[in-house]
Amino acid sequence: ETGVTQTPRHLVMGMTNKKSLKCEQHLGHNAMYWYKQSAKKPLELMFVYNFKEQTENNSVPSRFSPECPNSSHLFLHLHTLQPEDSALYLCASSQIWSETYEQYFGPGTRLTVT
Amino acid sequence: KQEVTQIPAALSVPEGENLVLNCSFTDSAIYNLQWFRQDPGKGLTSLLLIQSSQREQTSGRLNASLDKSSGRSTLYIAASQPGDSATYLCAAPQGGSEKLVFGKGTKLTVNP
Repeated sequence: ETGVTQTPRHLVMGMTNKKSLKCEQHLGHNAMYWYKQSAKKPLELMFVYNFKEQTENNSVPSRFSPECPNSSHLFLHLHTLQPEDSALYLCASSQIWSETYEQYFGPGTRLTVT
Repeated sequence: KQEVTQIPAALSVPEGENLVLNCSFTDSAIYNLQWFRQDPGKGLTSLLLIQSSQREQTSGRLNASLDKSSGRSTLYIAASQPGDSATYLCAAPQGGSEKLVFGKGTKLTVNP
């Protein structure tokens, strides 16, 4: 695997379910990000992890719970979601304190909450 | 707070035409700016990253420019092809951080 991978690619869940999204980066980066992309809205940054430590929680509801066990893996745990949480969830990584801070994105998980 | 605006929201052109996509940002204290491409339902592909010390960056038929003083960046696509049809996103950092703020994108359609 190369770059940034995300699983699953598609997820349908009921409002009472608990599920998790997984992201893995194979680039040796030290920062990882979760973004949400809803229809007709700009990408919204949700969480930032630098060196496995959370440095940003952009006022995200507690029904979204991130986990970063190491610098290569990032999870987003989901529980009691609402239909308005249906969106494309994108993971990204970058090398902070590098020359460019360029971010690389995964293919996303299309989440549908029924 | 950084805000990013992209104009136009949508653009339809015939194949072979040269075109310019515009991006403006409110906080000029940026160290770089990135342009991305997104195909329907897919993730983002990084096209070009311009560092604050550069005025432009080129990759194949793509050329991106950056004018920090005016808070503007442009993406120039030469000799457009139907395969260029996608949404193009501009992103600038929030303050001096690694956190990116995205515009809403320009949806480009290149007609054969």
